[in-house]
Amino acid sequence: DSGVTQTPKHLITATGQRVTLRCSPRSGDLSVYWYQQSLDQGLQFLIHYYNGEERAKGNILERFSAQQFPDLHSELNLSSLELGDSALYFCASSAVAGGGTDTQYFGPGTRLTVL
Amino acid sequence: GNSVTQMEGPVTLSEEAFLTINCTYTATGYPSLFWYVQYPGEGLQLLLKATKADDKGSNKGFEATYRKETTSFHLEKGSVQVSDSAVYFCALRISGGYNKLIFGAGTRLAVHP
Repeated sequence: DSGVTQTPKHLITATGQRVTLRCSPRSGDLSVYWYQQSLDQGLQFLIHYYNGEERAKGNILERFSAQQFPDLHSELNLSSLELGDSALYFCASSAVAGGGTDTQYFGPGTRLTVL
Repeated sequence: GNSVTQMEGPVTLSEEAFLTINCTYTATGYPSLFWYVQYPGEGLQLLLKATKADDKGSNKGFEATYRKETTSFHLEKGSVQVSDSAVYFCALRISGGYNKLIFGAGTRLAVHP
């Protein structure tokens, strides 16, 4: 158990809908990262938050957004869903925002299926 | 740009065989290198890491050495078990502000009794 929790574990929805994925980092970690794992794209970095502020964006679509709250949990919002958004979404956390020894620990993931 | 290339799988071995999964990288700057493992139906677990050249990461019988001269971080284990069956991901992270992990495509390992 990494200490990172994600809810829900599974999510099934229809095209055009909007969903929210939730992540709670390990106790004491200030950084939260979101990744998408799909069969065709592999594991792709989406976005990084540190202590409530956005730090870096990766291959995140404009239909997707995220935020990190004062209690450090994070939410990833996916809207106008398309079939191609079906994937496993991982959250990871780390103590700080980088540096040689900073290590990212991953949650169990949320499997999103868009029908 | 920055990228990671892993040997294609699946890799199929008998129990107690020697394992090598090749990983090479391209990076600007000085990356930290990682191996993550994903067991069936689970999330990613950190297996080992190395943060500078010639460092050796090790955990649960797995080892990998950060080779700057060959830009490689090959994963090895002397004697695999059925329970090692999983997908293994090599990843790098460039320090200095942009903290994302860049992953290889993953290598599936199947170990048979």
